[in-house]
Amino acid sequence: EDKVVQSPLSLVVHEGDTVTLNCSYEVTNFRSLLWYKQEKKAPTFLFMLTSSGIEKKSGRLSSILDKKELFSILNITATQTGDSAVYLCAVHTDKLIFGTGTRLQVFP
Amino acid sequence: DTEVTQTPKHLVMGMTNKKSLKCEQHMGHRAMYWYKQKAKKPPELMFVYSYEKLSINESVPSRFSPECPNSSLLNLHLHALQPEDSALYLCASSQEGQAISGNTIYFGEGSWLTVV
Repeated sequence: EDKVVQSPLSLVVHEGDTVTLNCSYEVTNFRSLLWYKQEKKAPTFLFMLTSSGIEKKSGRLSSILDKKELFSILNITATQTGDSAVYLCAVHTDKLIFGTGTRLQVFP
Repeated sequence: DTEVTQTPKHLVMGMTNKKSLKCEQHMGHRAMYWYKQKAKKPPELMFVYSYEKLSINESVPSRFSPECPNSSLLNLHLHALQPEDSALYLCASSQEGQAISGNTIYFGEGSWLTVV
C-alpha cells in the first residue's frame, strides 16, 4: 500500500529560527512529490519535485528530493509568524497521496 | 490564471436534502479531483475524473455522486448525507491525471459542508 509519512507532526519555534520538515514515501509509480502550505483554507502549492538532488527555492523556502532514499525535506529559514501553517507533503502517482502534515507554529 | 473556483463556500444541509457542490477551472486541465478533508487531517481522495470520465472512485458511499458535464466543470451531488459527512470538500485540477509525470495539482478554496 502506498504511504507518505511526515515528521515531525508538530513544531513550535521562535521567529528567526530555521526549520526542516521531513517527508518519506513508499509508493509505486512515483511521478512527483509536491509540498503544500495549508492555513485555514485550501492547500496552496509550494514546490513540485521530480528529480533527485535539484534544490527548488522560493524566498526563504527551499526543498530537495532524494529518490534513492525516498524522502524530501522542506527548509524554512528566518521563520516568521506568517509561516505558521500545516505543511503537507503529497506524492503524485495516478492520484495524489498526502502525508499527515506538519503543524508549524512560529511565535514572535 | 491558475484558479480553481468552488461554490458555494459554505453549505448547511439537512439529512434529507439534495444539494450540489460545483467546481470550475479554465486552465485547460483534463484531470479533476474531489477531496474530503476533516479537521486536522490531510485531504482524502474521493474521485478522479480524467478526460471527463470517472477514473478513480475511492469506495465513496453512493450518497456522493460526482458528475463532469464538460472539461471545465465538476459537480458533486449530495443526497441523504450524515452528520459525519460534515467536512471541507476540495476540488483540484491538473493537466492530466495519469499519463504525464510532474503535474502540478491546483486546489480550489473548498466548500465547507455542515450536515445537520
